[in-house]
Amino acid sequence: GEDVEQSLFLSVREGDSSVINCTYTDSSSTYLYWYKQEPGAGLQLLTYIFSNMDMKQDQRLTVLLNKKDKHLSLRIADTQTGDSAIYFCAETLSGNTPLVFGKGTRLSVIA
Amino acid sequence: DAGVIQSPRHEVTEMGQEVTLRCKPISGHNSLFWYRQTMMRGLELLIYFNNNVPIDDSGMPEDRFSAKMPNASFSTLKIQPSEPRDSAVYFCASSSPLARGNQPQHFGDGTRLSIL
Repeated sequence: GEDVEQSLFLSVREGDSSVINCTYTDSSSTYLYWYKQEPGAGLQLLTYIFSNMDMKQDQRLTVLLNKKDKHLSLRIADTQTGDSAIYFCAETLSGNTPLVFGKGTRLSVIA
Repeated sequence: DAGVIQSPRHEVTEMGQEVTLRCKPISGHNSLFWYRQTMMRGLELLIYFNNNVPIDDSGMPEDRFSAKMPNASFSTLKIQPSEPRDSAVYFCASSSPLARGNQPQHFGDGTRLSIL
């Protein structure tokens, strides 16, 4: 079945870049997403990428997709304490099919 | 624009009671999803609807769980009777399909359910 894997923890110093990695198994995945969840809060859509793209940049966020290796990464430049949260990778086939989520990566930013 | 609206935000009740969670999707979205988040299992799909029709309810844990979408602007998830193991955060999300510009899934703030 479909599976999405992420490392559970990442710790970085304020001002450094963070890179959160994700691997997925479903080669038919068309859309890959990154969501952010702060403590006690809901899921905030950060960015997403279509499978026909290799890279997408949005201000401090850069998403890289390697379809051959089924590997997705999220780079946060100049990481701030406000970036501390859990980051979820998710994949789906289309805009109206369910998301399959990874377990989330807890990012801790050290001042 | 209003996002996905869920109510209540928090619910604490005793086991055996009926629990009803509500969701109003984003206007114009015609896909609606119910997910559950727990520490042990992470985020899991319970059920989803396209154009108010249930498409896949294989994630609904038991017959105690039921979901309806009587119209395009409202959905309910009901648990009857509730049990302590149902304690979790329940999220509703909505989206529109590729033909309408590929809106990604947007989530509500969730309902934090505690069954005592």
